[in-house]
Amino acid sequence: EVQLVESGGGLVKPGESLRLSCAASGFDFSTYTVNWVRQAPGKGLEWVASISSSSLHIYYADSVKGRFTISRDDAKNSLFLQMNSLRAEDTALYFCARDLFWSRVHYMDAWGKGTTVTVSS
Amino acid sequence: DIQMTQSPSSLSASVGDRVTITCRAGQSIGIFLNWYQQKPGKAPKLLIYAATSLQSGVPSRFSGSGSGTNFTLTISSLQAEDFATYYCEQTNSNLRTFGQGTKLEIK
Repeated sequence: EVQLVESGGGLVKPGESLRLSCAASGFDFSTYTVNWVRQAPGKGLEWVASISSSSLHIYYADSVKGRFTISRDDAKNSLFLQMNSLRAEDTALYFCARDLFWSRVHYMDAWGKGTTVTVSS
Repeated sequence: DIQMTQSPSSLSASVGDRVTITCRAGQSIGIFLNWYQQKPGKAPKLLIYAATSLQSGVPSRFSGSGSGTNFTLTISSLQAEDFATYYCEQTNSNLRTFGQGTKLEIK
């Protein structure tokens, strides 16, 4: 069974840092692109970042570029999101999601339950 | 970024109704369009990928259509478990974007 389990969320002050983790199991993690997607309280989904297999291709949403860093450790089947210079608007539930593609169309077929990040003074 | 606009933002319907949700892209995206369902407190669930392909295990009452800039998600006969929020997502760009969501509520 494919499983993604996020951890590392918490309450931090503006300007502080936090590192999220996502532990994957039930599939060959190293061969998949994986994503971070977030959802602010009561709001819609926002894609945050993606990292391809072998970390060849990395992309960020404009809202986090320069502050967040996505990375992976294939030996540990883990995905990470290093979040620096956090702002109140980064407050959200953060999901990791596995990426598949068909005929060049990418889509997210498996999701974790999320970890909550709250940025408040 | 490619803007995705869903309509309506909310919708009231009854069990058994046929429902259509629309998603419009700010530029042509071919068939690089996916649909997700999200229930309160849960992770999103993939329904449709590549505009028209039904994800394995998703009931056949869900269908998707469209290409270019205009897309639709149709539920042919609403069931109680379908009341949720629905999102479209474009993956034509490496910077993916979601629509703002359509909340489907019980009438």
